Amino acid sequence: EPEVTQTPSHQVTQMGQEVILRCVPISNHLYFYWYRQILGQKVEFLVSFYNNEISEKSEIFDDQFSVERPDGSNFTLKIRSTKLEDSAMYFCASTRTQLTGELFFGEGSRLTVL
Amino acid sequence: AQTVTQSQPEMSVQEAETVTLSCTYDTSESDYYLFWYKQPPSRQMILVIRQEAYKQQNATENRFSVNFQKAAKSFSLKISDSQLGDAAMYFCAAGKGTGTASKLTFGTGTRLQVML
Repeated sequence: EPEVTQTPSHQVTQMGQEVILRCVPISNHLYFYWYRQILGQKVEFLVSFYNNEISEKSEIFDDQFSVERPDGSNFTLKIRSTKLEDSAMYFCASTRTQLTGELFFGEGSRLTVL
Repeated sequence: AQTVTQSQPEMSVQEAETVTLSCTYDTSESDYYLFWYKQPPSRQMILVIRQEAYKQQNATENRFSVNFQKAAKSFSLKISDSQLGDAAMYFCAAGKGTGTASKLTFGTGTRLQVML
């Protein structure tokens, strides 16, 4: 069964460093998302992406964050200069249609900023 | 804006018994969806059950069913005949209606333990 895959599963970085989290969505899906979950808190929406552009973003998704789909398969989340408060589990998700609301999630990438 | 509240951080159930996980929500949308997602340890979140707000009939998927009380803004999940594989974190979520349904607002989750 097709799955959303994410790499790395865990990344430790120093504050101020750039981080790129990678996702391979399910191949025939058209809508892509990043969510994050700070330990002990809610899963929060960061950004949605469709037709090679951001369709919606939350207030969390500031200028330090960017997304792109460089080669038609990978979907990346870049954090330019990480802060301590960026430490979280980052989930990628995809879906073929927005009509059902069902998202297919990856296992997550845990980011630890020291 | 939508908010989702899960007031039970942890629940436990004996194998083969029934358990109900609570969820309340608030939304200004007239058209919306509600979901329960399951996240087993070290695995991805998967959809358990979905309810369209315009449908009065409660959704059912095998051993999983919901009690959707629209006026009370309540959306509980009932798991019947609990199995060891049901042990997971369960997230209640809400999404807007058609067009942006997939932008979900999640609750904080309920960790379900299944006892032998």
